[in-house]
Amino acid sequence: DQQVKQNSPSLSVQEGRISILNCDYTNSMFDYFLWYKKYPAEGPTFLISISSIKDKNEDGRFTVFLNKSAKHLSLHIVPSQPGDSAVYFCAASYNNNDMRFGAGTRLTVKP
Amino acid sequence: DAGVIQSPRHEVTEMGQEVTLRCKPISGHNSLFWYRQTMMRGLELLIYFNNNVPIDDSGMPEDRFSAKMPNASFSTLKIQPSEPRDSAVYFCASSRSSESYEQYFGPGTRLTVT
Repeated sequence: DQQVKQNSPSLSVQEGRISILNCDYTNSMFDYFLWYKKYPAEGPTFLISISSIKDKNEDGRFTVFLNKSAKHLSLHIVPSQPGDSAVYFCAASYNNNDMRFGAGTRLTVKP
Repeated sequence: DAGVIQSPRHEVTEMGQEVTLRCKPISGHNSLFWYRQTMMRGLELLIYFNNNVPIDDSGMPEDRFSAKMPNASFSTLKIQPSEPRDSAVYFCASSRSSESYEQYFGPGTRLTVT
C-alpha cells in the first residue's frame, strides 16, 4: 500500500522561478517528514525535514510546508537552479525507524 | 568518515541464480535498512535492522528474499533463486536511530536478471 504518494512524476521549471513539489500521505501516525534528493547513479541524500508539530521549516532556498489536516506536504525551492535538477523523494516516518517513501518526482530546471 | 558502502555496484545474472548484495553501514550507526527502487513503485522498504536484529521484514516480497546482519558492520541481502522481475536498484541505508530520523544511503546496487 502506498502510504506516501507523489502524484506528479515530473516537473519542469525555468531557472530562477519557484519549484513546488507535492506529497500526500494517508497514515495519520506519521510524525516526521523528510525530503531526499537523488542524482543519477547515486543514493538519495537528505535535503530537509519537518516534525509534525511544525507547519514550516526553512533552510536557505528550500522550505517544507506541512498541512496535517490535509495530510499534505510540499517542498518549495526558490529560486530554482539547474543544479537542482534531480529526483526528489518525499518520506514519512512514525517511529524513527520505519520510513516510507513516495515514488519520486523528477525535477528539471531549465537554464 | 566513509559513507555507506555497497557491493557490487552492478550485478548481471541469469534467472535462477543466487544473488548476494552486501552493505557496510556507517560506523556508529545502529539501524540498517534495505530498499528497492523500481520505476513503478519508487523506493520500497524491504527490511530494517536495529542493533543487528531484524525489526520489520514485511516489505520482503517473497521467501526468495532473505537478509542478515551478523554484526554491526555488515549486512547481506540474498535472492535465491533470482527472477527477471527482481531487476531493480537496491539501496542500503543506515542511521543513528537514537539521534536522528535521517538515513544515509549507499550508492546502490543495480541488479539485472536476464
